[in-house]
Amino acid sequence: AQTVTQSQPEMSVQEAETVTLSCTYDTSESDYYLFWYKQPPSRQMILVIRQEAYKQQNATENRFSVNFQKAAKSFSLKISDSQLGDAAMYFCAYRRYQGGSEKLVFGKGTKLTVNP
Amino acid sequence: DVKVTQSSRYLVKRTGEKVFLECVQDMDHENMFWYRQDPGLGLRLIYFSYDVKMKEKGDIPEGYSVSREKKERFSLILESASTNQTSMYLCASSPLRGQGLYEQYFGPGTRLTVT
Repeated sequence: AQTVTQSQPEMSVQEAETVTLSCTYDTSESDYYLFWYKQPPSRQMILVIRQEAYKQQNATENRFSVNFQKAAKSFSLKISDSQLGDAAMYFCAYRRYQGGSEKLVFGKGTKLTVNP
Repeated sequence: DVKVTQSSRYLVKRTGEKVFLECVQDMDHENMFWYRQDPGLGLRLIYFSYDVKMKEKGDIPEGYSVSREKKERFSLILESASTNQTSMYLCASSPLRGQGLYEQYFGPGTRLTVT
């Protein structure tokens, strides 16, 4: 069974600093997709960044980047130049297909606090 | 922009009541999902649907059922609400497999309290 582990229930960072959120997953598949979602307080969950497993190049979206280590089954999120608006719950997720169905398996989340 | 809406942001029901949570998406997505979000447990999949009148159980379907009579609408039904179903419920939608590297788009959530 696929599992996703986020080992840091809470993290904090100073404004303008860099923080890395960790995520590991367990799978026997070779082709899959990984995502980081952000859920601000009382607001909708939105996609931050995504990675295709067959791509070796790490995905980047502005201040957000990932460190994807396929062999280690690790998918960490780095936030550079942290801003107050980055404060949120962050969820790592794994998606794969089985037959005609898809499933998105989430980690338990990391609550990020940004200190001014 | 994709829009996923849920019928209520907050809902309070009594034990034993039948509860309907409605979700509507406006992007003609084939896939729709219902999740439950609890502190320390993350998001857990209750049910999903990849076509009208089609449904598949997720990881925690017990105590829930779903209905998808129209492509844009996916309903979650609690036949007899219980206090352990007090939670945040999130609906999501996504396009059909094969249409690029797509994401799931989430609604704002319904915080259900069962007393």
